[in-house]
Amino acid sequence: QKEVEQDPGPLSVPEGAIVSLNCTYSNSAFQYFMWYRQYSRKGPELLMYTYSSGNKEDGRFTAQVDKSSKYISLFIRDSQPSDSATYLCAMSGGYSSASKIIFGSGTRLSIRP
Amino acid sequence: EAQVTQNPRYLITVTGKKLTVTCSQNMNHEYMSWYRQDPGLGLRQIYYSMNVEVTDKGDVPEGYKVSRKEKRNFPLILESPSPNQTSLYFCASRHLVVGIGGSGANVLTFGAGSRLTVL
Repeated sequence: QKEVEQDPGPLSVPEGAIVSLNCTYSNSAFQYFMWYRQYSRKGPELLMYTYSSGNKEDGRFTAQVDKSSKYISLFIRDSQPSDSATYLCAMSGGYSSASKIIFGSGTRLSIRP
Repeated sequence: EAQVTQNPRYLITVTGKKLTVTCSQNMNHEYMSWYRQDPGLGLRQIYYSMNVEVTDKGDVPEGYKVSRKEKRNFPLILESPSPNQTSLYFCASRHLVVGIGGSGANVLTFGAGSRLTVL
């Protein structure tokens, strides 16, 4: 079993829809949770990060962590064609230099105009 | 502009022909690493370096070498490439962002990727 599971998609939704992207994990030591966005032919770039459980909002994006269920989500409101990309969740147990970051395999998202 | 630069972006080679993928960062980050990205497997770490002259194996180090002689550069070396090393490779540097109340994250800045095909 992988430490981090993520549905690969592809997920296709119409412009303006609310998108929900999810990851589950098995390691209860994870405390730092990140979402990276990767456009085609580009490297991943950090979108959001959260610590422990709770919600964090940044514009149209909301990251949610439920540590009791070992489940994290990224919500995109009013989705735009420019949001079409692969979204990777990532997590680690700490933020020291020695902390390993584990990535999900990514969900490919397509927003239809 | 803060960035990680890797070259070449695209390379087709043959089995056994040594190659080097260069990586350079201009952010003075101590930590650098190499990943490979394969469909369904996500990003897997090959090697990482916590500082100059300090390198260590990641999850999939077989068939690769690295060196870190100066802080800004972290080349990936394939001494004798094989077809199972056909992949998309990313170099990244990492730094810590500390927020309020213990929040924060290790933020990875990735290069644009190097697509390698070994025939």
